[in-house]
Amino acid sequence: GDSVTQMEGPVTLSEEAFLTINCTYTATGYPSLFWYVQYPGEGLQLLLKATKADDKGSNKGFEATYRKETTSFHLEKGSVQVSDSAVYFCALTSPNFGNEKLTFGTGTRLTIIP
Amino acid sequence: EAGVVQSPRYKIIEKKQPVAFWCNPISGHNTLYWYLQNLGQGPELLIRYENEEAVDDSQLPKDRFSAERLKGVDSTLKIQPAELGDSAVYLCASSFGPQNIQYFGAGTRLSVL
Repeated sequence: GDSVTQMEGPVTLSEEAFLTINCTYTATGYPSLFWYVQYPGEGLQLLLKATKADDKGSNKGFEATYRKETTSFHLEKGSVQVSDSAVYFCALTSPNFGNEKLTFGTGTRLTIIP
Repeated sequence: EAGVVQSPRYKIIEKKQPVAFWCNPISGHNTLYWYLQNLGQGPELLIRYENEEAVDDSQLPKDRFSAERLKGVDSTLKIQPAELGDSAVYLCASSFGPQNIQYFGAGTRLSVL
């Protein structure tokens, strides 16, 4: 079945460092890919998405590119801030299920220290 | 615009007791989801509603879990009786149609002692 594998955490970086959180997926067909973020005490929020190969999703300085050849959707940010501390989830929806079912990775906890 | 509202935020009960969680979706969102999130894991779908109809409940443990969505708006998820392994965060989400972006509530953290 469909699955998402995320980089193991936790990840701790200094402010202004470069961030990469790896995400790879297994799915038949052409899934849509998502990054969700969960700030402390809050629900999951959609950070960015990409619906076809080579699409780049971006939001709040974060970017991720849909790479079909490597089945990856790595999250990147050039200069992180303390306010980026949160748990990040990679997820996909599959056209085999009508794009109705979100399959999540296990999440990566990111802590940014000043 | 109000987001997805869940209550209570925290619940502590003893095993074998019943418990219920409530969700109010975003106004106009006809699709509603309940997810289970175990510690250190991503959310897993329990049940999906289209209006009043449960269209995907394949992952809902029906021996002890039940859900309802009367009038196609608010929803309640119930566990009876609760077991120690049910300790987790229960998330509700809603969307305007099943193929659109899902918006999540803050969740209910359940501790079963």
